[in-house]
Amino acid sequence: GENVEQHPSTLSVQEGDSAVIKCTYSDSASNYFPWYKQELGKRPQLIIDIRSNVGEKKDQRIAVTLNKTAKHFSLHITETQPEDSAVYFCAFPLYQFYFGTGTSLTVIP
Amino acid sequence: DTEVTQTPKHLVMGMTNKKSLKCEQHMGHRAMYWYKQKAKKPPELMFVYSYEKLSINESVPSRFSPECPNSSLLNLHLHALQPEDSALYLCASSQREGGPTEQYFGPGTRLTVT
Repeated sequence: GENVEQHPSTLSVQEGDSAVIKCTYSDSASNYFPWYKQELGKRPQLIIDIRSNVGEKKDQRIAVTLNKTAKHFSLHITETQPEDSAVYFCAFPLYQFYFGTGTSLTVIP
Repeated sequence: DTEVTQTPKHLVMGMTNKKSLKCEQHMGHRAMYWYKQKAKKPPELMFVYSYEKLSINESVPSRFSPECPNSSLLNLHLHALQPEDSALYLCASSQREGGPTEQYFGPGTRLTVT
């Protein structure tokens, strides 16, 4: 299957700081790159996605950047808030959804 | 309606019990999925149904038996489970299998095997 590496596995930031999570992949066939947020005890929810015809997409405090040459895409969260604390997964849809290993983000008030 | 529903929310069962998990979507999606998820780990794909036919079985033990009665419903029948099968079981759906299409997840069933 597809190898999707996600880093870091844990991340702690002070409230108001920025957080960056990166995923790398090996197969260049996909052109859709989503990010999911999963709060404790809840379902994974899509928070932002990007398609390969753009390099960056922004939605308020979150953004995703894509570098197809280097085969990586990143999630950027600015002005972090305690409610951003969750586990974040990148996903790489090919013949099936391949999830990254997850990043546990803690925002310290 | 952009929601995937799952019942029950919680399930406790003994190793000799037989139970079923249910999943429903009314978005007209033609692909439906079962995932198993352990705490703070990514969802692990178990089964994929595409147009009501089993498309992928990720070498899941036979004590898990999926069923897709129609395009809106997906069941997972459980029998003779082991304690290590305790996990969150997530159902998901998408417009079609694979490719650049969003997956919508249900809230999950928290399963405990005693």
